[in-house]
Amino acid sequence: IVMTQSPATLSVSPGERATLSCRASQSVATRLAWYQLKPGQAPRLLIYDASTRATGVPARFSGSGSGTEFALTINSLQSEDFAVYYCQQCSEWPPRGEGTFGQGTKLEIK
Amino acid sequence: DVQLVESGGVVVQPGGSLRLSCAASGFNFGYYTMHWVRQRPGKSLEWVSLFSWDGITTFYADSVKGRFTISRDNGKNSLFLQMNSLRPEDTGLYYCASEREQFFKYWGQGTLVTVSS
Repeated sequence: IVMTQSPATLSVSPGERATLSCRASQSVATRLAWYQLKPGQAPRLLIYDASTRATGVPARFSGSGSGTEFALTINSLQSEDFAVYYCQQCSEWPPRGEGTFGQGTKLEIK
Repeated sequence: DVQLVESGGVVVQPGGSLRLSCAASGFNFGYYTMHWVRQRPGKSLEWVSLFSWDGITTFYADSVKGRFTISRDNGKNSLFLQMNSLRPEDTGLYYCASEREQFFKYWGQGTLVTVSS
């Protein structure tokens, strides 16, 4: 399974909405997670099972999709939301190495 | 609070060896399958290895199979990665992560491994 994220870079103004996409080369049902990475910090699980928010994740983060098409939507962007976001499939387990995660989307301030 | 703290990353020559450690606290370490995930420069995240919670099962990415060995000490709440025959392409930031239902629930901040002559 190959995970493809788009766009590679997304420029959005604070307060606006960002929608990040993740596509799987074959169905992963809802076995998909989203992570946030910031330099010097531990990666953070945001969404699992495609649409379930992890503990402590603000309600402005939402996940949707099933099968091969997924989206992470961030409403009312805050300054702390500008980071790199990765999707991960776990339909194949154990993981294979490269291909478990997408290539990432960098969310930058417009 | 859950904490995962990696250590052991240094600069090492190609062909050399290194042992990474991950100290866990704030959760029942022995109940969780643990993983190593790396990020090479300019690349995405790449899963490296896992050690099951029951101490029975290990798996490795093809890129490290036969060179890396994962281990754990539940009495010391610690995860390890023995890295042998290191290559320049092993350079990267190595994270340990705890698994929940095949998602990576908690992560450390990573330790940097540089393989260079």
